[in-house]
Amino acid sequence: DAGVTQSPTHLIKTRGQQVTLRCSPKSGHDTVSWYQQALGQGPQFIFQYYEEEERQRGNFPDRFSGHQFPNYSSELNVNALLLGDSALYLCASSGRGKKETQYFGPGTRLLVL
Amino acid sequence: GDSVTQMEGPVTLSEEAFLTINCTYTATGYPSLFWYVQYPGEGLQLLLKATKADDKGSNKGFEATYRKETTSFHLEKGSVQVSDSAVYFCALRTGNQFYFGTGTSLTVIP
Repeated sequence: DAGVTQSPTHLIKTRGQQVTLRCSPKSGHDTVSWYQQALGQGPQFIFQYYEEEERQRGNFPDRFSGHQFPNYSSELNVNALLLGDSALYLCASSGRGKKETQYFGPGTRLLVL
Repeated sequence: GDSVTQMEGPVTLSEEAFLTINCTYTATGYPSLFWYVQYPGEGLQLLLKATKADDKGSNKGFEATYRKETTSFHLEKGSVQVSDSAVYFCALRTGNQFYFGTGTSLTVIP
């Protein structure tokens, strides 16, 4: 049983560009959350998707957007990249009725130059 | 707003030493509390959790008790091993949102 998978593993972009990160949840999970983890910091909640809709959002600007597909996989899009967007982006999935147990993927490390 | 404050590291202990990593929280309502661990080169893994006051979460010899009166959820282990070297994150959940602490790096030396 595959766990949470994310792609790509690493990415380098320049300021002003746009980026799309992808996440496939653990089998049987229908809820996907995205986090930003800056170096030496804890993960910061970006938003959560359930039933293809954004269910809750953290304190991130509208440049951060997402999508969930019918197969529960999800994308995180970041527009107009800033140097400060450089971080590890984590995806976590959880299942119906067990939403408290989040399973994290390995993350995508984004570097903005 | 809701938040978690955890003990800053890094922490270095000898094998078989006693471990405590402090965590306090601020939250409205009745949050659930968690400890996650991140081993070198790996993703975050749930270590233990507690969903209501006075609950004790435990796993792999680690324990933490949800103390509402002191708004704390300190992580303890009686005898650490080299394999426990990792970064430990305290977290709380209110609604559908998680709040994480900044992490405490633990190194256990033989």
